[in-house]
Amino acid sequence: GENVEQHPSTLSVQEGDSAVIKCTYSDSASNYFPWYKQELGKRPQLIIDIRSNVGEKKDQRIAVTLNKTAKHFSLHITETQPEDSAVYFCASKNYGQNFVFGPGTRLSVLP
Amino acid sequence: NAGVTQTPKFRILKIGQSMTLQCTQDMNHNYMYWYRQDPGMGLKLIYYSVGAGITDKGEVPNGYNVSRSTTEDFPLRLELAAPSQTSVYFCASSYRAEISYNEQFFGPGTRLTVL
Repeated sequence: GENVEQHPSTLSVQEGDSAVIKCTYSDSASNYFPWYKQELGKRPQLIIDIRSNVGEKKDQRIAVTLNKTAKHFSLHITETQPEDSAVYFCASKNYGQNFVFGPGTRLSVLP
Repeated sequence: NAGVTQTPKFRILKIGQSMTLQCTQDMNHNYMYWYRQDPGMGLKLIYYSVGAGITDKGEVPNGYNVSRSTTEDFPLRLELAAPSQTSVYFCASSYRAEISYNEQFFGPGTRLTVL
């Protein structure tokens, strides 16, 4: 079955710097890759997603890139702010299968 | 729309007790899911349903049961609670069309402690 790895497990950046989180997946048939943000004690919320027919997607300070050949996708956050501090989860999915989540990355943005 | 709602928010059980976690969505989603999240960990799929009357096991189904009699409701039953079931439980739903996926919406979670 699908396996999703996520790195790093923790990440600390200075406010205003960029943060990059990378995920790799094993099933070449996976075609949908969402990213979720989970603040402490709250539910996961979708922040951006990408489908396999697209290489990059951007939404203000957040972008996701996908490399299907290498089977990895990355979340990029620019101009980080303290409110970006949270746990971020990647996931992958293909038709007929369920979402498989990565183990999460705890991002801390230091003022 | 209330989205995905879960009750209760918190619960403490004694070993061997049973309980039902409730989940309701008002978005007419066909897919519903139950996940557990252990402290500092990711989400593990317990059970899922592709529509009323259809359920299937996920990655960690042992010790749990589900039913889906309506599109809106997807309760999770814990029988003979064990300390290993201490976790936060999230219900989620999504609408799946044949050629695309839509966003998966999560409920607020139920924090369960088994002592």
